[in-house]
Amino acid sequence: EVKLVESGGMLIQPGGSLTLSCAASGFTFGSYAMTWVRQAPGKGLEWISYITTSDSAVYYADSVKGRVTISRDNGRNSLFLQMNSLRVDDTAVYYCARDVNGWSTFDHWGQGTLLTVSS
Amino acid sequence: EIVMTQSPATLSVSPGERATLSCRASQSVGFNLAWYQQKPGQAPRLLISGTSTRASGIPDRFSGAGSGREFTLTISSLQPEDSAIYYCQQCNQWWRVTFGQGTKVEIK
Repeated sequence: EVKLVESGGMLIQPGGSLTLSCAASGFTFGSYAMTWVRQAPGKGLEWISYITTSDSAVYYADSVKGRVTISRDNGRNSLFLQMNSLRVDDTAVYYCARDVNGWSTFDHWGQGTLLTVSS
Repeated sequence: EIVMTQSPATLSVSPGERATLSCRASQSVGFNLAWYQQKPGQAPRLLISGTSTRASGIPDRFSGAGSGREFTLTISSLQPEDSAIYYCQQCNQWWRVTFGQGTKVEIK
């Protein structure tokens, strides 16, 4: 069974930093590109970052570019999102998801981890 | 950035009736369009990829159609468990995907 489990969300002050993690199991993690998508409270889905299988290419939404870094450790079956200079509008549930076909079609999602940025 | 616009914002349909959701892209995305269903407190679930291919385990009452800029998701006979928010997503610019704002389907 494919499983994605996010962790690392917390209450943090504006300007702070943290790293979100996504633990993958039930599939050959290194064979799939992965992504992070977030959802602010009561709002829609916002794609924020994508990483290819071998870590050779990474992409970011303009809203987070320069403040976040996506990475992966295929040996540990894990995906990460390092976030810096956090702002109040970064408050959201953060989901990791698997790209099933290399064309950004996300067939499995984690349950999400809540990041709250507030003073 | 490709902007995805969904309509209507809310759709109220009686059980057993047909529900048709629309999604329009600001520029052509070919057939590179996916639909997701999200229920309260849950992660999104992939329904449709490549405009019209149902994901594994998705009932055949869900169907997708369209091309270029205009797409539809049809639920042929609405069931109570279909109450959810539905999002379209363009995959044409796979390195920078965008989602529509969602259509909320309510059971009348």
